Amino acid sequence: DAKTTQPTSMDCAEGRAANLPCNHSTISGNEYVYWYRQIHSQGPQYIIHGLKNNETNEMASLIITEDRKSSTLILPHATLRDTAVYYCPVYNFNKFYFGSGTKLNVKP
Amino acid sequence: EPEVTQTPSHQVTQMGQEVILRCVPISNHLYFYWYRQILGQKVEFLVSFYNNEISEKSEIFDDQFSVERPDGSNFTLKIRSTKLEDSAMYFCASSGGRVQPQHFGDGTRLSIL
Repeated sequence: DAKTTQPTSMDCAEGRAANLPCNHSTISGNEYVYWYRQIHSQGPQYIIHGLKNNETNEMASLIITEDRKSSTLILPHATLRDTAVYYCPVYNFNKFYFGSGTKLNVKP
Repeated sequence: EPEVTQTPSHQVTQMGQEVILRCVPISNHLYFYWYRQILGQKVEFLVSFYNNEISEKSEIFDDQFSVERPDGSNFTLKIRSTKLEDSAMYFCASSGGRVQPQHFGDGTRLSIL
């Protein structure tokens, strides 16, 4: 089964860039890479997605390696409100498979 | 910004009772989903719904579960005879297309006593 792997947790100082990696080595050629986050027990919040090219929006940047086997989500200036669990779920046949994600702790 | 809304935020029900969880997806979206998250565990896919029929369902979505889009705005999840293990957060999501992002509501916390 396709799956992604992420570090269990990461720390980041407030105001610094947070770089969250994801390994998705089994992704197929036409599957998008998605990133979500979950703050406390709220619903997963969409952040960004991409296919091959790097993407940027008002929340984050997404860097996808040329072989598409891994990606990095970049929060350029992390704030305390960015403390959350970050997921790069597998998207397969119109549904997401969420792993355990990375718990990002943004510290003052 | 349009959002997915879910009601109630918390539902407490006796085991064996029926429960209906309600969702109002984003208005121009065509694909609808339910996920659940047992406390401390992963978010799990339950069912997807498109064109007034189920397009995909997981092993969790057994005969006790059903979904319905009774009108042009609501999307509901019914659990016919609740069990203790149905206690979880239930998230509704919608998207505008198959490869468009799914947008999630803030969930209904279902507690079965």
